[in-house]
Amino acid sequence: DIQMTQSPSSLSASVGDRVTITCRASQSINSYLNWYQQKPGKAPKLLIYAASSLQSGVPSRFSGGGSGTDFTLTISSLQPEDFATYYCQQSYTTPRTFGQGTKVEIK
Amino acid sequence: EVQLVESGGGLVQPGGSLRLSCAASGFTFSSYWMHWVRQAPGKGLVWVSRINSDGTGTNYADSVKGRFTISRDNAKNTLYLQMNSLRAEDTAVYYCASVTGEWRAFDIWGQGTMVSVSS
Repeated sequence: DIQMTQSPSSLSASVGDRVTITCRASQSINSYLNWYQQKPGKAPKLLIYAASSLQSGVPSRFSGGGSGTDFTLTISSLQPEDFATYYCQQSYTTPRTFGQGTKVEIK
Repeated sequence: EVQLVESGGGLVQPGGSLRLSCAASGFTFSSYWMHWVRQAPGKGLVWVSRINSDGTGTNYADSVKGRFTISRDNAKNTLYLQMNSLRAEDTAVYYCASVTGEWRAFDIWGQGTMVSVSS
């Protein structure tokens, strides 16, 4: 199975900050990397697919990058509604695997 | 409106069975692969199973293989997860999710249904 490792596990940031979360795959997954946002008690929501493509309706302050084994999710200017947990996930092979999550909290 | 709605969760004793359903609307359900993902209380997301568009191909996580069965009824626009021999570690919110794009991301999610396994 492909292991997905996110860092950090949590972070504290202020509104307006630039935030970057990293995700590393245990082997190359080309660009089959997706990012999800999850708020408490809610289902995950797709933000980024194919490593860098913005899902329809997602604000442009979210961006993704990387290929192969190393990937990033960047929020250019953190907004109050962005405080949530973020997960990376590989869709290169089965079983699909997720990172452990990064909780973004208010400083 | 594009929507997935799960049902069938509840409290069950260890060793018991439960069948989850996921009703789809607003998109061509029969054209897309479908997945189940679960999340134990306070934990991360874990993939459980997937089924191809016509129901002839399935895959399972090792942790549920031989105990869970995924199926679908395209005439009823409904996905199922039959869960047998349930264990305490199966306690989780179960989400169904669809994959409609070529990059295989989970782009439509249901709201989730809670399964609790306890005596």
